[in-house]
Amino acid sequence: AQSVAQPEDQVNVAEGNPLTVKCTYSVSGNPYLFWYVQYPNRGLQFLLKYITGDNLVKGSYGFEAEFNKSQTSFHLKKPSALVSDSALYFCAVVRGYSTLTFGKGTMLLVSP
Amino acid sequence: GAGVSQSPSNKVTEKGKDVELRCDPISGHTALYWYRQSLGQGLEFLIYFQGNSAPDKSGLPSDRFSAERTGGSVSTLTIQRTQQEDSAVYLCASSLAAIGGGTEAFFGQGTRLTVV
Repeated sequence: AQSVAQPEDQVNVAEGNPLTVKCTYSVSGNPYLFWYVQYPNRGLQFLLKYITGDNLVKGSYGFEAEFNKSQTSFHLKKPSALVSDSALYFCAVVRGYSTLTFGKGTMLLVSP
Repeated sequence: GAGVSQSPSNKVTEKGKDVELRCDPISGHTALYWYRQSLGQGLEFLIYFQGNSAPDKSGLPSDRFSAERTGGSVSTLTIQRTQQEDSAVYLCASSLAAIGGGTEAFFGQGTRLTVV
């Protein structure tokens, strides 16, 4: 079954420092992978996706993610964190042809 | 607006009552999804509509849950005889085509359902 795992419930980082939010996947075949962000009392906002091609994917708000097939990972990164990046981040993989299976989410807290 | 719109934003209902949640997808999007977000279960897929095809109902947790999509646009999620465990945020999303083709889904802000 297609699934993703986010091993960290929470990530803490100081403003200005680089951040990484981890995601690993378990799929048969080639995965379609997504990152979404959820701010308090809001729906999910699309950040970026990996379908095929370059392993380094660039997305919204300065975020990027690296697809690593050998490590079955798709970690979300940003070179310099902002306090406003504090939110709940979800990794997701396409299941079948029609739905997304989400990880349990990682809370990112950026301190001033 | 240009985004996915859900109403109401909040709904408090008594146990045993029926509720209807509404979703207006982005114009032109053929695919529509309902998800449920709760503390203990994370994000759960409920149902998927694609054009005029039969919906994928595989995620509906019980026969108290049903959904329809009229005219390929607006969708209504109905929960009959609500139970306290139905309390959650119900999220609707739409996409231009099936996400299996690599298209991203856009989510509404959700309806927070509280069953008392």
